[in-house]
Amino acid sequence: GENVEQHPSTLSVQEGDSAVIKCTYSDSASNYFPWYKQELGKRPQLIIDIRSNVGEKKDQRIAVTLNKTAKHFSLHITETQPEDSAVYFCAASKDTGRRALTFGSGTRLQVQP
Amino acid sequence: NAGVTQTPKFQVLKTGQSMTLQCAQDMNHEYMSWYRQDPGMGLRLIHYSVGAGITDQGEVPNGYNVSRSTTEDFPLRLLSAAPSQTSVYFCASSFSPNYGYTFGSGTRLTVV
Repeated sequence: GENVEQHPSTLSVQEGDSAVIKCTYSDSASNYFPWYKQELGKRPQLIIDIRSNVGEKKDQRIAVTLNKTAKHFSLHITETQPEDSAVYFCAASKDTGRRALTFGSGTRLQVQP
Repeated sequence: NAGVTQTPKFQVLKTGQSMTLQCAQDMNHEYMSWYRQDPGMGLRLIHYSVGAGITDQGEVPNGYNVSRSTTEDFPLRLLSAAPSQTSVYFCASSFSPNYGYTFGSGTRLTVV
């Protein structure tokens, strides 16, 4: 089955700096790659996603890039703010076989004011 | 429109007891999944369903059963609770495997 690896496990940045979280996946059939943000004690919330026919997608301060050849995708957060502090999860899925999200192990992002 | 509703929010079980975690969605989503979340291990897929009457195993199915008799409901049954099943359980749903899943608020289960 699909295996998604996520790095780093923890990331501390100063307010205003950029943060980058990277994920790799194993199943070349995966074609959907969402990112979720989970605040302490809350449910995961979708923040951005990308499909395999697109290389990059932006939404205000966040962007995701996808390299299908290398089977990796990344989340970029610019001008970080304290409210960006949370755990971020990448995931992958496909529309054949096991049609459910496989998640990475998460990155705890701390933005220092 | 309530989204994905999970009950109960908290539960303490004794080893060997059984129980059912409830999950219901009102968005007419075909795809539903159960995940467990343990510290440092992300969200691991227990079981999933691609429509009423169709279920399949995920990464960690042992000790859990599911059924999908209606589009709306996807209950998760713990057959004989063990301390290793202490975790936070999330139900999620989507109208497509290639579309963002909506998560329920979770059930925090402790098995003593």
